[in-house]
Amino acid sequence: RKEVEQDPGPFNVPEGATVAFNCTYSNSASQSFFWYRQDCRKEPKLLMSVYSSGNEDGRFTAQLNRASQYISLLIRDSKLSDSATYLCIISNFGNEKLTFGTGTRLTIIP
Amino acid sequence: NAGVTQTPKFRVLKTGQSMTLLCAQDMNHEYMYWYRQDPGMGLRLIHYSVGEGTTAKGEVPDGYNVSRLKKQNFLLGLESAAPSQTSVYFCASRTIGTSQYEQYFGPGTRLTVT
Repeated sequence: RKEVEQDPGPFNVPEGATVAFNCTYSNSASQSFFWYRQDCRKEPKLLMSVYSSGNEDGRFTAQLNRASQYISLLIRDSKLSDSATYLCIISNFGNEKLTFGTGTRLTIIP
Repeated sequence: NAGVTQTPKFRVLKTGQSMTLLCAQDMNHEYMYWYRQDPGMGLRLIHYSVGEGTTAKGEVPDGYNVSRLKKQNFLLGLESAAPSQTSVYFCASRTIGTSQYEQYFGPGTRLTVT
């Protein structure tokens, strides 16, 4: 089993819709969780960190489920500019390395 | 504040040629990383450094060497390029801290080996 797994998609979603995707991880000792966004041929950029209590930033909501070992990202009222690949990234406490998912590709359709 | 910069942005090499990719960061970050990204493979760690003068192997280190002579610079070398090293290379850096695991990425270097 891969350390971090994501559905590669693509998710094709109409503008204005709500979309959600998950990322599962295998190491129960994982401590830090992030969602990064990567646009085509660009570098990954931090979208949001994922906290135990869940967190929201505008139209984006991230959740952590430790019992089932997954994190989720919910995007409400999706915009054309949300089209990108969303990377799930996980780190273990004290570990200087991060583990990356392969990404979920999202396309918002006008 | 330029963040993380990479030089060059594009390069085409012939098999057997050598080259060095330069990564520079102006955020005084302790940790620096080199990744490669291939279609369907995600980002894979090549080498990383936890401080000036130290380097360590990542997931796919073969065929690459690195050096961190200055805190702000992290060099990735290909001694004898192979077509399998055709990829997009990203450098990243981050600071130390229990909650500061966010990595900042450079814009990438697109390398083609023919």
